[in-house]
Amino acid sequence: AQKITQTQPGMFVQEKEAVTLDCTYDTSDQSYGLFWYKQPSSGEMIFLIYQGSYDEQNATEGRYSLNFQKARKSANLVISASQLGDSAMYFCAMREGPDSGAGSYQLTFGKGTKLSVIP
Amino acid sequence: EAQVTQNPRYLITVTGKKLTVTCSQNMNHEYMSWYRQDPGLGLRQIYYSMNVEVTDKGDVPEGYKVSRKEKRNFPLILESPSPNQTSLYFCASSSKGVELNTEAFFGQGTRLTVV
Repeated sequence: AQKITQTQPGMFVQEKEAVTLDCTYDTSDQSYGLFWYKQPSSGEMIFLIYQGSYDEQNATEGRYSLNFQKARKSANLVISASQLGDSAMYFCAMREGPDSGAGSYQLTFGKGTKLSVIP
Repeated sequence: EAQVTQNPRYLITVTGKKLTVTCSQNMNHEYMSWYRQDPGLGLRQIYYSMNVEVTDKGDVPEGYKVSRKEKRNFPLILESPSPNQTSLYFCASSSKGVELNTEAFFGQGTRLTVV
């Protein structure tokens, strides 16, 4: 079973509107971390936001917020007031705790969502 | 400036010709890893290293080797490249600790084509 599922291969959003990118995860760990990365067409991976499994508040970073629903195992990224520069691939990733047996601090990535912002 | 540096950025090579992609970080991070990115598959971990002289396989290690002789460097070696290793490769580093919120810093990527 996939550990990270991003069900939207591609999405379009009008400039200045908000958009939600979906991410569901699968883990039996109690302690884990969830990340979102942005990959523009230039190729680099840019860290956006982090949510810990024990964090009671949803994470926010500027225009980015994470809608964390632990019982549903979802960690959706919300981008408010979309800008043309937000057009990129977005990856959701998870790092499980040492108890998972991985012990590797590995980031497990979803397949990504390509977001296109329309003027 | 904190960074992870990969070289080369672009490489076209022929099947069977050994190559090395270098990776260096200046943040004194213990943990380094290599990923490959393929369309529709996201990023998959190839190898990782918890510290000097400590390396282990990730999810897709076949056809690759790594070494960690110094803390800052973590080269990826393809002894006999094949066309199915054509991909975008990323090196990443992060500080090891009990906290999960350690951000991974990525290199700029190396686009490898094996013909």
